[in-house]
Amino acid sequence: QKEVEQNSGPLSVPEGAIASLNCTYSDRVSQSFFWYRQYSGKSPELIMSIYSNGDKEDGRFTAQLNKASQYVSLLIRDSQPSDSATYLCAVKPRREYGNKLVFGAGTILRVKS
Amino acid sequence: DVKVTQSSRYLVKRTGEKVFLECVQDMDHENMFWYRQDPGLGLRLIYFSYDVKMKEKGDIPEGYSVSREKKERFSLILESASTNQTSMYLCASRSQTYGYTFGSGTRLTVV
Repeated sequence: QKEVEQNSGPLSVPEGAIASLNCTYSDRVSQSFFWYRQYSGKSPELIMSIYSNGDKEDGRFTAQLNKASQYVSLLIRDSQPSDSATYLCAVKPRREYGNKLVFGAGTILRVKS
Repeated sequence: DVKVTQSSRYLVKRTGEKVFLECVQDMDHENMFWYRQDPGLGLRLIYFSYDVKMKEKGDIPEGYSVSREKKERFSLILESASTNQTSMYLCASRSQTYGYTFGSGTRLTVV
């Protein structure tokens, strides 16, 4: 079992729709969760972090965390073609030393105009 | 904002060469990391460092070494470059409370 799993996609949504990206993790005591966006040929950039159960909103982005079910999701409202990218989920397992993050393989999102 | 600078955006090296990839961060972060990213394989951790002169192997350290003589600089060394080390290399640094900040990446081609 992979430590962090994401559906590779591509996930295709029409412009203006809500895109829902999901991620599950295996280490039950994981404590920090991050979403990165990566455009083709570019490096990942941090867009959201979440540490507690529930929702965290930032503009059009909402991160949702459910530690009991071991999943974290990212919702993008009013999706735009500029949101087309690969979205990486990253988890910090508490047992890990040196603040190492474990990344999922990423979900490709395509927003069609 | 944290800035992580990788010295080269593109590199082409010959098989057997010794290759140095440099990474510098400007926010006094203790933790620094080197990843490689390949299509279909995602981000794979090569080495990381949590303090000056300290280093830990990641998931794929074979064929690589690292150096951290100063807190702001973390270097990745390919001792004898091989074609299977052709990849995108990403450096990152991290504070205690936030996620990684990545450099812009170095696309290395070994011919």
